[in-house]
Amino acid sequence: GAVVSQHPSWVICKSGTSVKIECRSLDFQATTMFWYRQFPKQSLMLMATSNEGSKATYEQGVEKDKFLINHASLTLSTLTVTSAHPEDSSFYICSARVSPNTQYFGPGTRLTVL
Amino acid sequence: DAKTTQPTSMDCAEGRAANLPCNHSTISGNEYVYWYRQIHSQGPQYIIHGLKNNETNEMASLIITEDRKSSTLILPHATLRDTAVYYCIVRFGSGNTGKLIFGQGTTLQVKP
Repeated sequence: GAVVSQHPSWVICKSGTSVKIECRSLDFQATTMFWYRQFPKQSLMLMATSNEGSKATYEQGVEKDKFLINHASLTLSTLTVTSAHPEDSSFYICSARVSPNTQYFGPGTRLTVL
Repeated sequence: DAKTTQPTSMDCAEGRAANLPCNHSTISGNEYVYWYRQIHSQGPQYIIHGLKNNETNEMASLIITEDRKSSTLILPHATLRDTAVYYCIVRFGSGNTGKLIFGQGTTLQVKP
């Protein structure tokens, strides 16, 4: 199947700093990508939908100024967690739409904020 | 909110078929049913999807009832590596505006 990668796979940062997570579609172009986060023992929660060349659409309750999403090319979307705090520690997972009915997920990025 | 209902957990003996049920009684006519699984600390892995006909691929079979209100994912010969959380998802929206909203899923434990 299609491959979606994320970088870094894990990151530890100090409270108050910003962290950028990259999501790449390796063998296909993705007009639409999605960002999810997952707390321990919980399901995935959709944060936002990222469309190439336009502003991201955020789900209700997700702060767009805190979670900056940029989808500058058909193979790359980035999520920046600004002024991270310990409560932002989570597993962040991106996903890319391969076709209207098919979507693949990346391996996830574990963020720990100290 | 997710539009599906799944049992919280299930066990299956290694080598036997695992049948995972899912209820989606409010599904609309043009909404697909998707199955993904997530092995601990990894991203979800696509398994299969369908609209109304039964589907089969190298990983699993998907049986959708005629009224489309429920479906069953079948792993024909479960192995220990199939231990994971299995998510049944009815996609919100269609085509390029659709999005996958995850419910709590079923934790499948395959036992030797």
